[in-house]
Amino acid sequence: DIVLTQSPATLSLSPGERATLSCRASQSISTSLAWYQQKPGQAPRLLIYDTANRATGIPARFSGSGSGTDFTLTITSLEPEDFAVYYCQQRDNWPRTFGQGTKVEIK
Amino acid sequence: EVQLVESGGGLVKPGGSLRLSCEASGFAFNSYSMNWVRQAPGKGLEWVASISSSYTYIFYVDSVRGRFTISRDNSNNSLFLQMNSLRVEDTAVYYCVRGITASSRVEFDYWGQGALVTVSS
Repeated sequence: DIVLTQSPATLSLSPGERATLSCRASQSISTSLAWYQQKPGQAPRLLIYDTANRATGIPARFSGSGSGTDFTLTITSLEPEDFAVYYCQQRDNWPRTFGQGTKVEIK
Repeated sequence: EVQLVESGGGLVKPGGSLRLSCEASGFAFNSYSMNWVRQAPGKGLEWVASISSSYTYIFYVDSVRGRFTISRDNSNNSLFLQMNSLRVEDTAVYYCVRGITASSRVEFDYWGQGALVTVSS
């Protein structure tokens, strides 16, 4: 199974700051990586698919990059509604796997 | 508007069974693969099972293979998860999640609100 390792576990930032989240795969997954945002009590929401494509309705401050084994989600300027948990997920192989999550919290 | 509505969750004893349903609307259900993803309390996301639009493929995570069965009824826009021999570690919120279609490879783009399954004696 492909293991996805996210870092850091927690990111403490202030509104307006830049957030950089990392996801590393245990083997190459080309660009078959997605990012999700989850707020307490809510279902996850797809942000980015295939590494760099924003899903419908996702603001331009969210961007993704990477390939192979190293991937990054960047939020250029944090809005109050962006404080949440973020998960990466690979669709290169079965079983589909998720990272353990990065919590972006208000500093 | 795409909607996925799960039902059938509840409390069950270890070794028991439960059947989850997901009613889909707002899209061509019979063209999309469908999935179940779960989340244990306070934990991360775990993919459970996937089924293609016309039963071409079915996949399960190792921990549920042989105990859970995913199925669908395209005539009624419904997805199901039959869960047998339930274990305490199956306790989670189970999400119904839309998959891919022949013309769109975007996976897991719509999620239901989730159904809570609690396995406890």
